[in-house]
Amino acid sequence: QVQLVQSGAEVKKPGASVKVSCKASGYTFSVYGLHWVRQAPGQRPEWVGWINAGNGDTKYSQKFQGRVTITRDTSATTAYMELSSLRSEDTAVYYCARDRLVNLNYYFDYWGQGTLVTVPS
Amino acid sequence: QSVLTQPPSASGTPGQRVTISCSGSNPNIGSHTVNWYQQLPGTAPKLLIYGNSQRASGVPDRFSGSKSGTSASLAISGLQSEDEADYYCAAWDDSLNGWVFGGGTKLTVL
Repeated sequence: QVQLVQSGAEVKKPGASVKVSCKASGYTFSVYGLHWVRQAPGQRPEWVGWINAGNGDTKYSQKFQGRVTITRDTSATTAYMELSSLRSEDTAVYYCARDRLVNLNYYFDYWGQGTLVTVPS
Repeated sequence: QSVLTQPPSASGTPGQRVTISCSGSNPNIGSHTVNWYQQLPGTAPKLLIYGNSQRASGVPDRFSGSKSGTSASLAISGLQSEDEADYYCAAWDDSLNGWVFGGGTKLTVL
């Protein structure tokens, strides 16, 4: 069965960086892309970016461009999301989600359990 | 201000039918299909509907989706207590060049 297992909660100081991992299993890793979505407390989900797990191509939300880097290690079937210059507003649960394309319809079909990143003000 | 607008709350009694709306614009819903996600408290979102109206695997046929122009709707019939959750619509946005989510609708089963 498809599983996305993320790394544990992090507490970071303002200005620091955080790197969250997403270990995929139960499918051929390089065939599907992976998205990163964050959700601040009580807020709507917010798309951060995407990586093509096959060739490593990336696409980032304009909001995070320059501050976020998404990478993958195909041998470890793991994707990573690194966010730098952290501020209190970055406090959120960060999710990875698998990208799926069926009949020209794109959607996120499986999600990780989420990683809470806390940046105290 | 969300690019996709949903009512903040909705409610119904067991067995009733409720509808949740999602209003967008030409760069998003007007040009792309809509997906719906259900989020129970403290858990990750779960895919309910993709491609405007296609139920994800394992989703009961009590859930249905539709789209017209720049708006979409999620309907839940035969409401059950376990349907109490937050519901989010999502679509690709050509202007923002990224995915956008609605503000979410908290469904309460009375």
